[in-house]
Amino acid sequence: DADVTQTPRNRITKTGKRIMLECSQTKGHDRMYWYRQDPGLGLRLIYYSFDVKDINKGEISDGYSVSRQAQAKFSLSLESAIPNQTALYFCATSDDGPGTLTQYFGPGTRLTVL
Amino acid sequence: GEDVEQSLFLSVREGDSSVINCTYTDSSSTYLYWYKQEPGAGLQLLTYIFSNMDMKQDQRLTVLLNKKDKHLSLRIADTQTGDSAIYFCAEAPSWGKFQFGAGTQVVVTP
Repeated sequence: DADVTQTPRNRITKTGKRIMLECSQTKGHDRMYWYRQDPGLGLRLIYYSFDVKDINKGEISDGYSVSRQAQAKFSLSLESAIPNQTALYFCATSDDGPGTLTQYFGPGTRLTVL
Repeated sequence: GEDVEQSLFLSVREGDSSVINCTYTDSSSTYLYWYKQEPGAGLQLLTYIFSNMDMKQDQRLTVLLNKKDKHLSLRIADTQTGDSAIYFCAEAPSWGKFQFGAGTQVVVTP
């Protein structure tokens, strides 16, 4: 089984709808992240969480919110989806260090907002 | 990632060596990383280098780090069609906050 899973894998929705993307991990990591990927822009950090009670905004948090329901679960919500939120969304986890701080990525959710 | 820059595209013939270059800005980064993304998949760690090293070799992969110029490169020897992917350079200037480059699309031609 995959260590980091995301649901759904694909989603098409309409402008103005509320959408939730879910992420679960079995790696036992405290740190979890949400990124979006756009062609030519690489990965941009939306939100990150260093433990269940810690939530931090990334570089592009406007229009998004998150919930850390448990160590293993980190959800991303689009309160009112708009077309420029069409992108590939990745969840990731990492250990706390010291060490390499490797990030482990989920398979991604492709979101299309019409 | 505006602080990590890499070229967007590289075409290479099968069997040749590929070299992907990256520049970063934060000299406090302890580790620098190369991730690989295959079509339809998430990113997977390919290799990393500790900041006090100049070079790291791992089978067909060679990572070179020039701290003075803040330049990182990844060399893939004997490039194969399975190496076709997007390669991301990343730094972690503070604990847990990664900065990724835009990714280099590598296309391997027969």
